[in-house]
Amino acid sequence: QVQLEVSGGGLVKPGGSLRLSCAASGFDLGDYYMNWIRQAPGEGLEWVSGINWNGDTTGYVDSVKGRFTISRDNAKNSLYLQMNSLRVEDTAVYYCAREEVRIQSLPQKRIYYYYGMDVWGQGTTVTVSS
Amino acid sequence: DIQLTQSPSFMSASVGDIVTITCRASQDISSYLAWYQQKPGKAPKLLIYNAATLPSGVPPRFSGSGSATEFTLTITSLQPEDFATYFCQQLNSYPRIFGPGTKVDI
Repeated sequence: QVQLEVSGGGLVKPGGSLRLSCAASGFDLGDYYMNWIRQAPGEGLEWVSGINWNGDTTGYVDSVKGRFTISRDNAKNSLYLQMNSLRVEDTAVYYCAREEVRIQSLPQKRIYYYYGMDVWGQGTTVTVSS
Repeated sequence: DIQLTQSPSFMSASVGDIVTITCRASQDISSYLAWYQQKPGKAPKLLIYNAATLPSGVPPRFSGSGSATEFTLTITSLQPEDFATYFCQQLNSYPRIFGPGTKVDI
């Protein structure tokens, strides 16, 4: 069964740190881009960070740059989000999601095909409060 | 960064209605747009990718169209299980921004 299991959330004081984990089962994590998305209470979805197949390309939303670090261990079929210098506004449910991306290699260029985020973890709650 | 807007932000509808939601991008994203459905307390579900392609298992009453900066999600013959919040997302580049969402209520 294809699924993602998220863990590591909890209550932390402002300025503190947490490390979220996302364990994949039923598929090979290394075949997919992976992402972290969060949702503050009563708010919409906010993409937080993403990472390509082997981890040599990452992206972050501006509000977490320099504080959060995404990483992956394909041998362990796991994705991580290290969150430092946490702020009250980081309080949210955090989801991980896989994203299928394919490349077509042509003589002069590469074309990327993006298939959206089709499998999501159940989410873990991060609460930043004094 | 690319920004996405959605309209309307909220709509009331009835079972059997046709619902149309618009997503606009601040710059050309070709067809690199996805749509998601989210119900309260649940993770989002992928409805459409590449602006118009339905993943397997998504009912054909959902359809997507558009390219460049203007996109549309259409639900024909709204069903009770379709009352939810819908988000668009650009897949063209990092950051993979989501639109603010459209809540479809009874």
